[in-house]
Amino acid sequence: DVQMTQSPSSLSASAGDRVTITCRASQGIGNYLAWYQQKPGKAPKLLIYGASTLQSGVPSRFRGRGSGTDFTLTISSLQPEDVATYYCQKYDSAPPPRKFGQGTKVEIK
Amino acid sequence: QVELQESGPGLVKPSQTLSLTCTVSGVSISSGDYYWSWIRQPPGKGLEWIGFIHSSGSAHYDPSLKSRVTISMDKSNNQFSLKLTSVSAADTAVYFCARDIDFSGNDYWGQGTLVAVSS
Repeated sequence: DVQMTQSPSSLSASAGDRVTITCRASQGIGNYLAWYQQKPGKAPKLLIYGASTLQSGVPSRFRGRGSGTDFTLTISSLQPEDVATYYCQKYDSAPPPRKFGQGTKVEIK
Repeated sequence: QVELQESGPGLVKPSQTLSLTCTVSGVSISSGDYYWSWIRQPPGKGLEWIGFIHSSGSAHYDPSLKSRVTISMDKSNNQFSLKLTSVSAADTAVYFCARDIDFSGNDYWGQGTLVAVSS
């Protein structure tokens, strides 16, 4: 089964900093990768799908890149409202059809 | 607009069956190329995909839960349901239902419902 590994598990950065989260698949998944943002007590929110396509309404400071096994989510200028946990999810057809990474908690210094 | 709402008991006894329903509005669950998913999140932990059912009625489950899970559809009420048998404390979690599009991820989510497994 495909495993999804995110790094780091948590990070702390200053407002305005550039932040990058990495997601690695144990085998190639093409560009079948989504990124979600989850704030405490809330349901996750879809940010990016197809590895790099921004969901409607998501600020342009969020950018996704990668294909195959290595992916990144970058926040170009961290804002206080970006404090959340971020998850990657693969959704190609290889079993299991869906799998989340373990999450990356982003905090502001 | 599309809305999803989970419902069901908030407390289940160990060894019993957890049953939840997701009521969908704004779209028919039996039309379109959609998957209707259940995802859970134990307290303080990450997201875990449980499984989904396609609008055609075919279901797929995570291998770790496959022996205990059934997801079904009630087209007349525009609902889909989760049954998880033989529950233990490890099944205590917030359970989310969500719409899943094959090339676009989970775009609509319910608010989640906390289910505790305890005697």
